[in-house]
Amino acid sequence: TQLLEQSPQFLSIQEGENLTVYCNSSSVFSSLQWYRQEPGEGPVLLVTVVTGGEVKKLKRLTFQFGDARKDSSLHITAAQPGDTGLYLCAGVEEGGSYIPTFGRGTSLIVHP
Amino acid sequence: EAQVTQNPRYLITVTGKKLTVTCSQNMNHEYMSWYRQDPGLGLRQIYYSMNVEVTDKGDVPEGYKVSRKEKRNFPLILESPSPNQTSLYFCASLPRQGPGDTQYFGPGTRLTVL
Repeated sequence: TQLLEQSPQFLSIQEGENLTVYCNSSSVFSSLQWYRQEPGEGPVLLVTVVTGGEVKKLKRLTFQFGDARKDSSLHITAAQPGDTGLYLCAGVEEGGSYIPTFGRGTSLIVHP
Repeated sequence: EAQVTQNPRYLITVTGKKLTVTCSQNMNHEYMSWYRQDPGLGLRQIYYSMNVEVTDKGDVPEGYKVSRKEKRNFPLILESPSPNQTSLYFCASLPRQGPGDTQYFGPGTRLTVL
């Protein structure tokens, strides 16, 4: 059973479109992180959210942590080809081992 | 430069031939972990270590061993590799400071077991 369910698994869109990626769980997390991974490289941290209801923005990317700290979303506005990559959410379960558990990822392709 | 290094980056081997993938971090991080990444399955944790001489199983530990004799090194050992261990492996480290610490990943090791 996957602790963190990410959706959609694949996303292929045109440049300029908006998109949202979801990360859901039945568990409560003390923190949740979003990573971006390019082919042949390791994941790179984009953002960390720790407070229920928290919203963080990184240029055209908006990250939200659910009020109950069980889910999160990543919204990209006006996607660009440079946004292409694998987006991973990772959560530290409250009372858990402190090392994050990852979702399966969302593979995003933005066509010019 | 703060980094996590892995070696080798690429390895092709045969079933049953013992191998070790090294991982080293220069950030004095207490926590280190190994993941494997397979298409459609995401990053799955193999083993993790919360400090020197302290290791624990992750989600998919079967067929793997680790050791943590020094804080900076966390090698992954495959005593008798099998084809189902063909995968992309990542080592990672993070400090023990509080929730949401940044986990730093190595560049990955692509392993093929024939």
